[in-house]
Amino acid sequence: GAGVSQTPSNKVTEKGKYVELRCDPISGHTALYWYRQSLGQGPEFLIYFQGTGAADDSGLPNDRFFAVRPEGSVSTLKIQRTERGDSAVYLCASSFRDRGLGIKNNEQFFGPGTRLTVL
Amino acid sequence: AQSVAQPEDQVNVAEGNPLTVKCTYSVSGNPYLFWYVQYPNRGLQFLLKYITGDNLVKGSYGFEAEFNKSQTSFHLKKPSALVSDSALYFCAVSRGSGGYNKLIFGAGTRLAVHP
Repeated sequence: GAGVSQTPSNKVTEKGKYVELRCDPISGHTALYWYRQSLGQGPEFLIYFQGTGAADDSGLPNDRFFAVRPEGSVSTLKIQRTERGDSAVYLCASSFRDRGLGIKNNEQFFGPGTRLTVL
Repeated sequence: AQSVAQPEDQVNVAEGNPLTVKCTYSVSGNPYLFWYVQYPNRGLQFLLKYITGDNLVKGSYGFEAEFNKSQTSFHLKKPSALVSDSALYFCAVSRGSGGYNKLIFGAGTRLAVHP
């Protein structure tokens, strides 16, 4: 399909384990964002990639969280030593860049999310 | 710091009646404002945005929103609600600077449209 895809759709893990969440953005979108949505709340920003580089990782809660986008397309969010408080839906979004306007006013297209449950 | 407030956890409307979902924001500089809708087990879908220009913005599925700078509001509206409009609605703001739009979301408002 033409939309943002995320895998897996659901992930159940045990406290202390390592998990990887994958995001495949819309083809041609240079900007990629990760958000986290806890139950009953709006999405919270985690990290933003422009191309291969993380331009803003100010939303990552601590050093257990890390994300990569090595070829400027697919991104992986990695969580080490998972804790029960990490349980949430992790959303990925992508957007494109206007040549003249940049991307700051362009809407983001969201994937369906990965529901992470840490037992 | 930027923030978004959606003062109503839930809005109940009868089908065919007009609906309003409220949003107020706090941001330094010119705001870029967005509305998204979330259906169960589906991702956020973009409805509309305000960047500049006309204060009344029209979007998908017959929704519109009015930007009010003096009241720092961006309420979502629709003249005639449908049962299929029932979903979770999120207002979001970005600072409009820095070359990208890190979105700050409100907590969401659940819209229930009754037949």
